[in-house]
Order: sequence, then C-alpha cells, then structure tokens
Amino acid sequence: ETGVTQSPTHLIKTRGQQVTLRCSSQSGHNTVSWYQQALGQGPQFIFQYYREEENGRGNFPPRFSGLQFPNYSSELNVNALELDDSALYLCASSLGGRRESTDTQYFGPGTRLTVL
Amino acid sequence: KQEVTQIPAALSVPEGENLVLNCSFTDSAIYNLQWFRQDPGKGLTSLLLIQSSQREQTSGRLNASLDKSSGRSTLYIAASQPGDSATYLCAVSNDYKLSFGAGTTVTVRA
Repeated sequence: ETGVTQSPTHLIKTRGQQVTLRCSSQSGHNTVSWYQQALGQGPQFIFQYYREEENGRGNFPPRFSGLQFPNYSSELNVNALELDDSALYLCASSLGGRRESTDTQYFGPGTRLTVL
Repeated sequence: KQEVTQIPAALSVPEGENLVLNCSFTDSAIYNLQWFRQDPGKGLTSLLLIQSSQREQTSGRLNASLDKSSGRSTLYIAASQPGDSATYLCAVSNDYKLSFGAGTTVTVRA
C-alpha cells in the first residue's frame, strides 16, 4: 500500500476520443510522474510535475498533457486517442523535485486504458 | 539516451532455489537504482532502492548489488517461494525520470 490512488481502474474508449485519468498522491509529495506501460514492456516516462509546473517530459506528443493541483491530485489528459495508446498508465509520487532527486517514487495501481 | 536491459526475460525455478536477476544500463551517471515487483495487471511495488553511492541493499530475503561503473545491478532472492512469482523490473534514475527495463518474469514451482 503506497498511498497513491488512481481512477478509474479500467477504461474503454474509441479512436479519436479524449480521456482524463486521475491520480491522488501521498500527502506532502510535491512531485508526480506519469508513465505508460504497454503490454510486455517496461514503463515509459511521459512527464513529471513539481508544484503544479511541468518539470520534464519524455518522448510523447503534445496530445498527452497533464495538470497537478495543490491538493496533491493530478490528471493525465490524452486527446485524439490512437490504438497504440492502449496501455497501463501509472502515476508515481515522490517528495522532491530536483533533477538530481534520489527520492523513492511510490507508484499507484494504474489505469488500464483500451482504445478500440 | 539511457537503455536498461534485463536478462533473462523469464525464469522458472523450483521452490527453495535462489534467484539471480540481472540488470544492465548504458549511462552510469545515475542517481539511484530501484527494483520493483509487478503482479499481473497491477502497479509497481518498490522492493529496494540503492543510491548511486552505495554498493548494495538488503531487505529480508532480498539483496541487490550495484556496480555503477560497469552499469550493472543484480537482485538476489534467497530460498524462493511460490509467492515470489511475479515480474521484476529494475529502473535507473537520471535527471528526474526513471528508465525501466522490460522485466524478468519469475515463476516459482511448488
């Protein structure tokens, strides 16, 4: 039990639609990161937010966007869904926000997104 | 770009045998390395975190070593049990993000 929750657990969308996934971090954790995990692969870094500002971004197109709120919750938004967006989406929270952070990242259970 | 490789991709052992899981990475400028466990369809559970200045970490039956200069880490699980069956992922921390390997799927036969 990491104290990080995600909703919904599962989601089915059709190609071209938009989706919002939600994450609630551990209290006091100022940093949230989002990862995409395709079947049989390791998670891929999407982006990170620190105190409501984007702190870094992986190799994902602009249709992947995020928000972080002062109450330790955050959102991942994906526009114009494609079939390849089908994956497990994980959020992770941690204390720090420095680029050289050595903090442990605590992961939520994930949201399974299926795009038809 | 950091590349993380885990070998083998899958492993099946009888109960009681010791497990050895390997992880290698290409960029040695890491801040830390973490080992995670993932059960099917579930999120990640952190097992051990080794800071870049450390050589190993231990927790119960688990021991992880880190050789940063050669870009390698090994996770040892002593006296395996059927409950250890899962996928084990290693991840290295560079510049605020984690880079993951594809994992080693372990099956412990009773």
